[in-house]
Amino acid sequence: KAGVTQTPRYLIKTRGQQVTLSCSPISGHRSVSWYQQTPGQGLQFLFEYFSETQRNKGNFPGRFSGRQFSNSRSEMNVSTLELGDSALYLCASSSIPGQGNYGYTFGSGTRLTVV
Amino acid sequence: AQSVTQLGSHVSVSEGALVLLRCNYSSSVPPYLFWYVQYPNQGLQLLLKYTSAATLVKGINGFEAEFKKSETSFHLTKPSAHMSDAAEYFCAALNFGNEKLTFGTGTRLTIIP
Repeated sequence: KAGVTQTPRYLIKTRGQQVTLSCSPISGHRSVSWYQQTPGQGLQFLFEYFSETQRNKGNFPGRFSGRQFSNSRSEMNVSTLELGDSALYLCASSSIPGQGNYGYTFGSGTRLTVV
Repeated sequence: AQSVTQLGSHVSVSEGALVLLRCNYSSSVPPYLFWYVQYPNQGLQLLLKYTSAATLVKGINGFEAEFKKSETSFHLTKPSAHMSDAAEYFCAALNFGNEKLTFGTGTRLTIIP
């Protein structure tokens, strides 16, 4: 079955602009999480959605937001971009804990560069 | 709050030698534990996971890990390193009811020919 699909793979934006990243989970997975990866801070949790509801949120400013649609696809938005937002943004989808194949499957990521 | 510690940000081993990457978690209640591998410009690929079943977990590419509650550890091993194992490896923990992976800082594995 198809894996987690993130689009676009690469983005270059200017400070002050906003950006929207997209994630399509594995078919049947209802949980989608977002992570930011930078050389300095490593992998940090942004937020997690399940059935269109945000269940958990990391310690990021309000400029970072997300949503999930009824088909489980998710988007994250970053407004008023700063140079420090340059990072690899990773999306992961998961099934329900207790299922034999439970685990987090990651997409290839979106590399965002802010100039 | 849960924390994950990976000892050694860089590990070098000779081709054919044992690979040992260390991971310790902090919570008193054993979490679910995962090892991921990341190749340059790629996402994270799941190597193996511990979800409270067998303590010795076998994964892909010949890797395995042993959960030791008394040591709060989940070290990753491979008997014989291959050049294709050169990558960055991340250990992660997930606590029940908290759908958030907490990652270690990663270990970059270099294989010496």
